[in-house]
Amino acid sequence: SYELTQPPSVSVSPGQTARITCSGDTLSKKYAYWYQQKSGQAPVLVIYEDGKRPSGIPERFSGSNLGTMATLTISGAQVEDEGDYYCYSTDSSDNPLFGGGTKLTVL
Amino acid sequence: EVQLVESGGGLVQPGGSLRLSCAASGFTFSNYWMNWVRQAPGKGLEWVANIKQDGTDKSYVDSVKGRFTISRDNAKNSLYLQMNSLRIEDTAVYYCARVLLSAKTAIDYWGQGTLVTVSS
Repeated sequence: SYELTQPPSVSVSPGQTARITCSGDTLSKKYAYWYQQKSGQAPVLVIYEDGKRPSGIPERFSGSNLGTMATLTISGAQVEDEGDYYCYSTDSSDNPLFGGGTKLTVL
Repeated sequence: EVQLVESGGGLVQPGGSLRLSCAASGFTFSNYWMNWVRQAPGKGLEWVANIKQDGTDKSYVDSVKGRFTISRDNAKNSLYLQMNSLRIEDTAVYYCARVLLSAKTAIDYWGQGTLVTVSS
């Protein structure tokens, strides 16, 4: 079955750039979306349609989708950016799918 | 302000049933596809079902087909999930979620979730 693959964890120091990847065969043809989930809270959309940022999301969050890999970049990561990040897309039949999630640690 | 408030979760025995509800406000509910997404304890997100604006098109993840039914009442700005023949592996927080206007399943707003525990 189709999968979106993310690294289980990413760790950076405050102020560094954090990059979280998401790989999947149909990403070259489908949009990627990114969600942030802090402990005990509902997810929040941080990037939609590969690289668009919803209102209220800081400019340090950006996204790209090239080939079969989508990347969420947090430029100058801050402690409050810690949490789990999930990519989302669809397979060739438009079935929705989340990646397994990446735990971002900023310390 | 977009608000999605789930209710109806709780403890149920295997084989039992529950009906989840989601009250929507702050937007024109009838204009949007809607989703249910779940998250088992300590696990990732799993899309469960979606429903078109007028309720005529519905889809489900394979693991719930034939057991769960998604529905909506646009007059009441409400989304529902009828869950029958519940299994232990259905234990999760269930989120009601609004779909982006430009999409069919991609979510822009989430409720806070309601916990469903299936246990004997």
